[in-house]
Amino acid sequence: GAGVSQTPSNKVTEKGKYVELRCDPISGHTALYWYRQSLGQGPEFLIYFQGTGAADDSGLPNDRFFAVRPEGSVSTLKIQRTERGDSAVYLCASSLSIRAADTQYFGPGTRLTVL
Amino acid sequence: AQKITQTQPGMFVQEKEAVTLDCTYDTSDPSYGLFWYKQPSSGEMIFLIYQGSYDQQNATEGRYSLNFQKARKSANLVISASQLGDSAMYFCAMREGGNQFYFGTGTSLTVIP
Repeated sequence: GAGVSQTPSNKVTEKGKYVELRCDPISGHTALYWYRQSLGQGPEFLIYFQGTGAADDSGLPNDRFFAVRPEGSVSTLKIQRTERGDSAVYLCASSLSIRAADTQYFGPGTRLTVL
Repeated sequence: AQKITQTQPGMFVQEKEAVTLDCTYDTSDPSYGLFWYKQPSSGEMIFLIYQGSYDQQNATEGRYSLNFQKARKSANLVISASQLGDSAMYFCAMREGGNQFYFGTGTSLTVIP
């Protein structure tokens, strides 16, 4: 079946602009996660959803970052007033539920470059 | 305290040999899951293997096995018969029930022909 998809695959923007990154999880997966990965680092947790609600948004670095999942499927990560430090690969993952045993499956990521 | 610690930034292994990638974890939750992911230079994160905290036996998936030592809180990945395609970053991760995943900093594995 189809895996996790993310669009766009690459996004180049200017400092101060607004961007939206989209994630389409595996069908039937109720949990959805966003991570940020900088070069040479492991994925850094941002936020995760169980259904439509954000179960844990403690990883969002500041109020310029926001994510939604209005219908419990597709999610959008929104970044306002982008800064050069926001440049990274943004990874999305989904899992069947939030049980400890449930594996996360990752999308290919969106590479964001802020000039 | 770090939830996941990977102390080997880089490892080298001869083709066809076995290699062990270290991972230690920190949790007080009796129910947790341990995962290993592979990230080649293409950037995709590929799930390799899972070990549950209540599992009595070490997990195995083909050439991958997980050396789970619960008392030591370690979950080392063993790759047998290394292949050139195994060259990649490897990340250890842990999930406590109902919570986020925690990732280590990764180990870069290079397989030498």
